[in-house]
Amino acid sequence: GDSVTQMEGPVTLSEEAFLTINCTYTATGYPSLFWYVQYPGEGLQLLLKATKADDKGSNKGFEATYRKETTSFHLEKGSVQVSDSAVYFCALSDHRTGGFKTIFGAGTRLFVKA
Amino acid sequence: DAGVIQSPRHEVTEMGQEVTLRCKPISGHNSLFWYRQTMMRGLELLIYFNNNVPIDDSGMPEDRFSAKMPNASFSTLKIQPSEPRDSAVYFCASSLMTQSYNEQFFGPGTRLTVL
Repeated sequence: GDSVTQMEGPVTLSEEAFLTINCTYTATGYPSLFWYVQYPGEGLQLLLKATKADDKGSNKGFEATYRKETTSFHLEKGSVQVSDSAVYFCALSDHRTGGFKTIFGAGTRLFVKA
Repeated sequence: DAGVIQSPRHEVTEMGQEVTLRCKPISGHNSLFWYRQTMMRGLELLIYFNNNVPIDDSGMPEDRFSAKMPNASFSTLKIQPSEPRDSAVYFCASSLMTQSYNEQFFGPGTRLTVL
């Protein structure tokens, strides 16, 4: 079945450092890809999305490009802030093969130090 | 819009007691999901509904867990009897299924502690 694998955390960075969180997926069809973020004490919220190959999703300085050839959707940010400390989840959904479900990765916890 | 509403936000109960968690999805959304999150197991999908009909309950841990969606604006997740290993944060999420993709909107969660 479809699956998502993302790098284990925690990731600890200093403020203004460059961030990369790796995500790869396995899917039989052509899924949409997502990054969700969970701040302490809150539910997950959508950070960005890409619905087809070569699409780039972006939001709040974060970017991720849908790479079909490498089945990847890595999250990047050029300069992180303390307020970016959270857990980041890579996810996919394909209503044509997976029904209504979204498949989430295990999550990667990011700590940003001042 | 108020977003997905869950109640209670915190619940502390004793082993063997019945627990009912409640969820009000975003108006107009046609799909609803119940998740459980723990440090050990991460985020687990328990059950989801589409147009109030349960589609997949394969994630429900055992018969002690049950979920209902009597109408488009309300769902419950019930645990009877509760056990300490049920302690977790339970999230409800809703979405509007489209042909291209679906974004899930999560509630703030219910933190359940079973003593």
